Amino acid sequence: DTAVSQTPKYLVTQMGNDKSIKCEQNLGHDTMYWYKQDSKKFLKIMFSYNNKELIINETVPNRFSPKSPDKAHLNLHINSLELGDSAVYFCASSQGTSGYYNEQFFGPGTRLTVL
Amino acid sequence: GQNIDQPTEMTATEGAIVQINCTYQTSGFNGLFWYQQHAGEAPTFLSYNVLDGLEEKGRFSSFLSRSKGYSYLLLKELQMKDSASYLCAVTYNQGGKLIFGQGTELSVKP
Repeated sequence: DTAVSQTPKYLVTQMGNDKSIKCEQNLGHDTMYWYKQDSKKFLKIMFSYNNKELIINETVPNRFSPKSPDKAHLNLHINSLELGDSAVYFCASSQGTSGYYNEQFFGPGTRLTVL
Repeated sequence: GQNIDQPTEMTATEGAIVQINCTYQTSGFNGLFWYQQHAGEAPTFLSYNVLDGLEEKGRFSSFLSRSKGYSYLLLKELQMKDSASYLCAVTYNQGGKLIFGQGTELSVKP
């Protein structure tokens, strides 16, 4: 019954490593997002895909690369991890991108800790 | 910029009413969402406002004034489980992007 799922829930890794976070939604939504929530709880958009096409790409280091194999999945790959990448990463999905269709459903989050 | 401002924290008593305010820049405004986030959990949708006025949903209501760039979330008959962070988020003319405020940490005390 899980609507938006992410794996892993926790990720602890060393600086310089490469890691991926996976996201899947079973809501039949067309749009998916990645957000970063820092230690001050500030939630900020990183990327958005609509029907597998990138539509939002915020000022994010190019070490971060999203990939959408189909509209139900949006994965996030991070190269050369840095201490400042430590945060909670949330995946979200919505039916569309305007009005009520933009109501976003969030996954449980992945807490990334870079040592 | 597109600053979304809300108080950092508020405290209220069980059974009382609390109002959480949010102000935003009006240029390009396309809609406003309120989300609730319990500690260690995902944000969950509470309300959406695009037209001026009050939207009521059980114990929670949300108000919008487009001309003033102002919204509030009203929580009635507070319960302990309402202790959470309340996030105001605005969409502008940018294809679904939500700009979040810093969140208001609400503590409900007995």
